[in-house]
Parts: sequence; C-alpha cells; structure tokens
Amino acid sequence: GAVVSQHPSWVICKSGTSVKIECRSLDFQATTMFWYRQFPKQSLMLMATSNEGSKATYEQGVEKDKFLINHASLTLSTLTVTSAHPEDSSFYICSARQQNTGELFFGEGSRLTVL
Amino acid sequence: SQQGEEDPQALSIQEGENATMNCSYKTSINNLQWYRQNSGRGLVHLILIRSNEREKHSGRLRVTLDTSKKSSSLLITASRAADTASYFCATDAGSNTGKLIFGQGTTLQVKP
Repeated sequence: GAVVSQHPSWVICKSGTSVKIECRSLDFQATTMFWYRQFPKQSLMLMATSNEGSKATYEQGVEKDKFLINHASLTLSTLTVTSAHPEDSSFYICSARQQNTGELFFGEGSRLTVL
Repeated sequence: SQQGEEDPQALSIQEGENATMNCSYKTSINNLQWYRQNSGRGLVHLILIRSNEREKHSGRLRVTLDTSKKSSSLLITASRAADTASYFCATDAGSNTGKLIFGQGTTLQVKP
C-alpha cells in the first residue's frame, strides 16, 4: 500500500531554535498534504493544508509565520516550527492525498520536544 | 469547536467482550471514517462509511451511521488485548478536499 514517511520521528531542541519536519509520499504523488498537531491525550487538530506549488492554507488560530509550510514537489511537504518554545512540544502528523485516487494516507508522526 | 464529540472518552473491558464507541459531528458530510492510534504512533485507517450508507462491516468491526442524528458508532466484537488503542472518528465536513475533522477520541483498554 501507499506509504507516507515523516522525518524525523522524534526531535528534541532548545527553546528558540527552528525545527524542520518532512512529510514524504514514497510511492505516489500528492498535490495536497495536511498537517495536524496532537497534544498528549487529545485529538488531532488540523493546522494547515499544504498545496504543491502554492501557499499553504492555515486554519484559524494557527500562526503562519510560526509554522512555515513548503510543498515544493509532488512528494514532499515540510513544516518548520520557527523559534520553538516549550508550548510547541507536540506530536505532528501529516497526511497526503493521492493525486489520482484522492485516497488519504497518514504518516507515522513526528514528536517534537522543546526544552 | 471544529471537532465533534466521542463517547465514552475512556472504556475498559475484558478480553472477549464487545466495545462500542460513539461519535457525533456537527456538519453535513460525504463520508465518515474511523481510525485507530496506538500510543505515540500514527493513524491506522479502519473503515469508511459513506453518507448514503447506514451500516458497514469489516471483520470484527461494525460501523453504523445516522445522518439525521449526525452520529456514528463503532462496534468491536470479541475484543482482544491487541485492540487496546485510541479510536477516532473523522469527517470530511462536506468537502472533497481531503481535509478531515477529528472527534475527541475514545481510549479503549482491553484487559487480558
């Protein structure tokens, strides 16, 4: 089946630094990818829709300057958490929509811990 | 809130028993999906039910959908310890973009 890979799977960083998380569709093309954030023992909250070749669409309340999204190719979207703070510590999950079929596939998630 | 509600929030049962989880949502939908998530892991897609379907089965899973009440239920029969996980419903909120709105989730513990 289709696979979506996230990298890194976990990262620890110091407060004030920036962290980049990759979401890659390994065997299909995805014009649209989605980024979700999940705090401990909570559900997934959609952060933004990443569109290949155009600007991301952010959900209400999500700071676009804080969470930079780049969808530079049909198989890769990146989420950069800029000037990370401890409250940004969370589990970040992406999903990719297969271009031909419209099916959705989720990555395994990336756990960010900001010290 | 953009999210629907699920109940119960937590459920603990013995192996062999059935587990029922409910989900309510707020908008019209094209389909509703159920996902499973083991602790600290990604999502596993379980089943999709379209808005014109009322019931769907997959192995030990049975999903119902009542669009008039904007609710769905997931039944896991003959539960196993390996079914221990969090279960989430997700709707497309009537769009066909791939954007999903997740419910709050039910944490299921199956005791051996």
